[in-house]
Amino acid sequence: EAGVVQSPRYKIIEKKQPVAFWCNPISGHNTLYWYLQNLGQGPELLIRYENEEAVDDSQLPKDRFSAERLKGVDSTLKIQPAELGDSAVYLCASSPRRGSTDTQYFGPGTRLTVL
Amino acid sequence: GQQLNQSPQSMFIQEGEDVSMNCTSSSIFNTWLWYKQEPGEGPVLLIALYKAGELTSNGRLTAQFGITRKDSFLNISASIPSDVGIYFCAGQGQAGTALIFGKGTTLSVSS
Repeated sequence: EAGVVQSPRYKIIEKKQPVAFWCNPISGHNTLYWYLQNLGQGPELLIRYENEEAVDDSQLPKDRFSAERLKGVDSTLKIQPAELGDSAVYLCASSPRRGSTDTQYFGPGTRLTVL
Repeated sequence: GQQLNQSPQSMFIQEGEDVSMNCTSSSIFNTWLWYKQEPGEGPVLLIALYKAGELTSNGRLTAQFGITRKDSFLNISASIPSDVGIYFCAGQGQAGTALIFGKGTTLSVSS
């Protein structure tokens, strides 16, 4: 079974430029998450989707960040414009819905460097 | 954002030694998960715990879900060089909600 796929793996941009990250979850997983991981920290949630609906975007900085999951499968996370402090790893995860419990499987992440 | 208290922050051990790390939280969780992350990769799930008091093993790894639902520990027995990495605990309240992560324990193993 293929895992969570993310691209690109690395991205270097100058501040004020836009950037987009793509994620394809594990087949059949209805729930998709975008996490932000700063250096030396654990991941922190940005947004969670149930199928195509964003059910938790309370931690997403909506002035510059946006996300979409139009067909309830793959997803795109965008930053416009990027700031120096956005340099981090952006992780995508997915999970099935199995009754009252589920586990999340992570992709390799996109490492963003903003110069 | 909210994070768990994970300790120790780092460990330097000799190959063959046993390792223990733990996580505590001020909140109750319904699920505890342990992940390992290597450089340039995303976290990889090691063990998932779903019931208070549950003790689960995966090879040389053993993890327990604390009876109070506010803590968990991970043991690694007879460490080997490929155990090197960052180990994260994560707690989850309601199913499907975001995981709350610890800051990680960096493990170094010398042969």
